[in-house]
Amino acid sequence: DAGVIQSPRHEVTEMGQEVTLRCKPISGHDYLFWYRQTMMRGLELLIYFNNNVPIDDSGMPEDRFSAKMPNASFSTLKIQPSEPRDSAVYFCASSLAHQPQHFGDGTRLSIL
Amino acid sequence: AQTVTQSQPEMSVQEAETVTLSCTYDTSESNYYLFWYKQPPSRQMILVIRQEAYKQQNATENRFSVNFQKAAKSFSLKISDSQLGDTAMYFCAFMKPRYFSGYALNFGKGTSLLVTP
Repeated sequence: DAGVIQSPRHEVTEMGQEVTLRCKPISGHDYLFWYRQTMMRGLELLIYFNNNVPIDDSGMPEDRFSAKMPNASFSTLKIQPSEPRDSAVYFCASSLAHQPQHFGDGTRLSIL
Repeated sequence: AQTVTQSQPEMSVQEAETVTLSCTYDTSESNYYLFWYKQPPSRQMILVIRQEAYKQQNATENRFSVNFQKAAKSFSLKISDSQLGDTAMYFCAFMKPRYFSGYALNFGKGTSLLVTP
């Protein structure tokens, strides 16, 4: 079975540009999570969805960040405008209820 | 909010030896789940083991086992017969099931484990 698929794997862009990260969860999973990993702050939950509906976005750092889940098989995390401090690895994960979360391979984002 | 503490930023163990990684957590809940995830240099997040708080029996998965002490709020991971492929960052994570609002994970800062020949 295919796991959680994230794209792109790496993204390098200049400050001020719009960045869109993509995620395809495992088919049948009803929860989707976006995490950010940095050396300073470790793994932080940004937002999560249940059945495509955002449940908790309290971890989204600023209005520059937005996330959508238009259907059960696709989600995006957008940063506009991007800043150097947004540089991190962004993970998407999915799960079926309280079962363990399955993570994608992450997107390493570098903002110059 | 629940906090997860991993007090050992780095550890080292020789191949074939046993190592224990520590994790403590703070919660007032009685029903929750605990996890250990492994992140090798490839960056993948791989589930190692899971423990339900209502189960007294410690979880085991092949060479990996936990020592779950609910009263002490401690959840350590023991790796037996360490292998070079066990070299990775290990994260302890807490999840409080919220049946109407989700199952997010709270992660510790991680322990970097190096297995040497």
